[in-house]
Amino acid sequence: SAVISQKPSRDICQRGTSLTIQCQVDSQVTMMFWYRQQPGQSLTLIATANQGSEATYESGFVIDKFPISRPNLTFSTLTVSNLSPEDSSIYLCSVGQGSIFYEQYFGPGTRLTVT
Amino acid sequence: AQKVTQAQTEISVVEKEDVTLDCVYETRDTTYYLFWYKQPPSGELVFLIRRNSFDEQNEISGRYSWNFQKSTSSFNFTITASQVVDSAVYFCALSGSNYKLTFGKGTLLTVNP
Repeated sequence: SAVISQKPSRDICQRGTSLTIQCQVDSQVTMMFWYRQQPGQSLTLIATANQGSEATYESGFVIDKFPISRPNLTFSTLTVSNLSPEDSSIYLCSVGQGSIFYEQYFGPGTRLTVT
Repeated sequence: AQKVTQAQTEISVVEKEDVTLDCVYETRDTTYYLFWYKQPPSGELVFLIRRNSFDEQNEISGRYSWNFQKSTSSFNFTITASQVVDSAVYFCALSGSNYKLTFGKGTLLTVNP
C-alpha cells in the first residue's frame, strides 16, 4: 500500500486565520480524498481531489471554505479558511489504489484546534 | 443513498474474550465494497479488510474474522481472544459506484487486562 504523510501533524490556530494541510504520497495515485473527523464523530468526506481538474465537493462543503489543490499525482493540499472553533477536527487525506480505486488508505491525520 | 449502521457505540471486554462488532449497510448499488478500519488512540486509520459484493466467503486473518451476509446486509467483524492492543475505535465503511466511502459511526472497543 502507499505510504502517506501529512503536515502538520497537529496545530493550534486562532479564530479567523487559515491552515493549509499537506498530503504527500510515495507513489502516483489517481484519486485523493479529504475527510474531516469532528471530535468523537465518524469521518465525513469533504471532497475528492483530482489532478488536472477542480476538486469535487460534498454537500455542505464549499470551495471558499476548503480550497484544495492537486498539482500532481503525489501531492495535495487542503486549506481550512476563516477558522472557527467548530473547525476543530482531525483532517485526513486518503488515496485510492487498485484498478478501480476501491481500496483507500489514509494518512496519519492533522489534528486542528481552533482557539 | 448509502448508509452504514454500527449499533454498538461502545463495547468493553476482558482480555482473551471473543468479541463481535456488528455492521449493517444499505445501498442501491449492485456492485459495492465493504471495509473495516481500525483507529487506535493515535488517530491513524488502519485498513483491515475489503470485501466486494460478489464474494460472500467469510475471511479469517489471524485472530480476526469477518462474516459477510448479503441476505441480512451485514458485515460483522469478530476478534478472537482479544488483547489490550485491540482497544480502538473500529469503523465499518461502504463504497459503491462513486468510489466514495460512507462510514458508520464507529464502535469503541475497550479490552481490559
